[in-house]
Amino acid sequence: AQKVTQAQTEISVVEKEDVTLDCVYETRDTTYYLFWYKQPPSGELVFLIRRNSFDEQNEISGRYSWNFQKSTSSFNFTITASQVVDSAVYFCALSETNNDMRFGAGTRLTVKP
Amino acid sequence: SQTIHQWPATLVQPVGSPLSLECTVEGTSNPNLYWYRQAAGRGLQLLFYSVGIGQISSEVPQNLSASRPQDRQFILSSKKLLLSDSGFYLCAWNNGLEKISYEQYFGPGTRLTVT
Repeated sequence: AQKVTQAQTEISVVEKEDVTLDCVYETRDTTYYLFWYKQPPSGELVFLIRRNSFDEQNEISGRYSWNFQKSTSSFNFTITASQVVDSAVYFCALSETNNDMRFGAGTRLTVKP
Repeated sequence: SQTIHQWPATLVQPVGSPLSLECTVEGTSNPNLYWYRQAAGRGLQLLFYSVGIGQISSEVPQNLSASRPQDRQFILSSKKLLLSDSGFYLCAWNNGLEKISYEQYFGPGTRLTVT
């Protein structure tokens, strides 16, 4: 069965600090997909990234970067030089082939000015 | 471009009353559609998904039901609300031509309070 664990319930940082959000997953499939979503105070979930299980290359998009490591079943998300607008709940999610998406419990990030 | 709408945005209903939440998608055909519930401070729970008109899969047995009367319309209903139905309801879609496991795009949500 697929499972996603986000052990960090809440994180608080000061603006311009770097912050890493952890995500550990469990799956029996060899083909699967990992995702990160951002949920700002407005409530709508915003898709950030999808990573396929056969592609372990790390990705950088502006201040965002993702570190995918199959050896530790982790898909961590780092925000560099955090800003107040980064304050949100961040969800990691996993889906197996032809299966629906399972979300972690989320990590609430607060960036203080 | 594709857009997804949900209404109402907020709703306060008494226990035992009926419920109807609507979700529509524009700019795409034959999408997969999903209903999620998010309890306060919790993660997302998948309630229903649909791969086509009239095709509904239920993930969790409860007093809610879903229907898909048109290709891009997805409705969440209840005949009698319970206090435990309170939460934030999110509708989502993804491309029906791709695997059901690819990323989903979410609507703005409906915040339901059952009193």
